[in-house]
Amino acid sequence: DSGVTQTPKHLITATGQRVTLRCSPRSGDLSVYWYQQSLDQGLQFLIQYYNGEERAKGNILERFSAQQFPDLHSELNLSSLELGDSALYFCASSVEAQGGGVNTEAFFGQGTRLTVV
Amino acid sequence: LAKTTQPISMDSYEGQEVNITCSHNNIATNDYITWYQQFPSQGPRFIIQGYKTKVTNEVASLFIPADRKSSTLSLPRVSLSDTAVYYCLVFGAAGNKLTFGGGTRVLVKP
Repeated sequence: DSGVTQTPKHLITATGQRVTLRCSPRSGDLSVYWYQQSLDQGLQFLIQYYNGEERAKGNILERFSAQQFPDLHSELNLSSLELGDSALYFCASSVEAQGGGVNTEAFFGQGTRLTVV
Repeated sequence: LAKTTQPISMDSYEGQEVNITCSHNNIATNDYITWYQQFPSQGPRFIIQGYKTKVTNEVASLFIPADRKSSTLSLPRVSLSDTAVYYCLVFGAAGNKLTFGGGTRVLVKP
């Protein structure tokens, strides 16, 4: 158990709909990352938040948005869903060093499997 | 952000040592080299991290030459359960995108 909790584990929805994926990071971790992994594909970095602020952005579609709340949990919102959005969505968290220095380990949740039909 | 290149796949047999080399020619001074393991339908799991020379833990060893332009993950005496995808990442405090490349798919055969 990595300590990162993602809900729901599975989600089936129709095209055009909107869904929200939730992530609770490990206790004390300030950084949250979101990834998309399509079938047999690599992990695509979507976005990172640190202590409530957006820190880095990857290949995140405009239909997708995320936020990190004061209690540090994060939500990924996916709207106007298309069949191609079907994938595993992972959240990871880490304690991020301030002002440079040692990289820290990221802990991944078990993912949310989204199926768009 | 340093780009990494690693083999797409490798086959091995139980009990053998598996070495996966990753190239990262434009690694920056403050970058660390980190390896993750991912089983199907699971989130990646941290294996090992290093800056230079050699790092060893209970799972693997990481060899980094002096120029740091490559690194080799060594898995001693693999078992069937080591069949997974292994990702090499180069990550520094200034590059906050924890970006995964294509990874190396390792298949351990009986």
